[in-house]
Amino acid sequence: GAVVSQHPSWVICKSGTSVKIECRSLDFQATTMFWYRQFPKQSLMLMATSNEGSKATYEQGVEKDKFLINHASLTLSTLTVTSAHPEDSSFYICSARDYTRHNEQFFGPGTRLTVL
Amino acid sequence: AQRVTQPEKLLSVFKGAPVELKCNYSYSGSPELFWYVQYSRQRLQLLLRHISRESIKGFTADLNKGETSFHLKKPFAQEEDSAMYYCALSQNTDKLIFGTGTRLQVFP
Repeated sequence: GAVVSQHPSWVICKSGTSVKIECRSLDFQATTMFWYRQFPKQSLMLMATSNEGSKATYEQGVEKDKFLINHASLTLSTLTVTSAHPEDSSFYICSARDYTRHNEQFFGPGTRLTVL
Repeated sequence: AQRVTQPEKLLSVFKGAPVELKCNYSYSGSPELFWYVQYSRQRLQLLLRHISRESIKGFTADLNKGETSFHLKKPFAQEEDSAMYYCALSQNTDKLIFGTGTRLQVFP
């Protein structure tokens, strides 16, 4: 149990376009999900906390208009990278918190975004 | 400011040798500490958390508030332990703050 999926697993897009990444909790409900960014051989950097039914909370230095987060249901959060540029190329990972399992965060497999 | 420090980027040992992955933290309140592991081409997964006080896959970690440390230890490393290990701190069971990670290589 406690599986989190992400779609797509990888995406290549042209500079200036927008890309949407989905994060789903498959077998539990998650009022809170998190979005991280991971650069090659570096740690996970928290971008924002996604709250079901309310606005996301962004970490300092993360542009909320650049990285749009929507958490419309208890099993789905989306991250949209708007007007993508090559510097947005990265590995994006989501996690979902399961309050029935001591608030443990379960991580998705990640989405690799390459902006040409 | 809250911070998690893992001083070693890479730790290489031979099979059967003891392992200690270091983690230090700075936090003003009462933190909850975790160790996460990421095996090659797999997602990040929880290895253990300090409040559970349990041993997982032979690994243990003790929270030392005096030294603000949460080092991960295993007396006899196995090849399958080779992975990336991240120490993390949670604020009020909310968001996680990760360290930079330590890659453990266990040679046969």
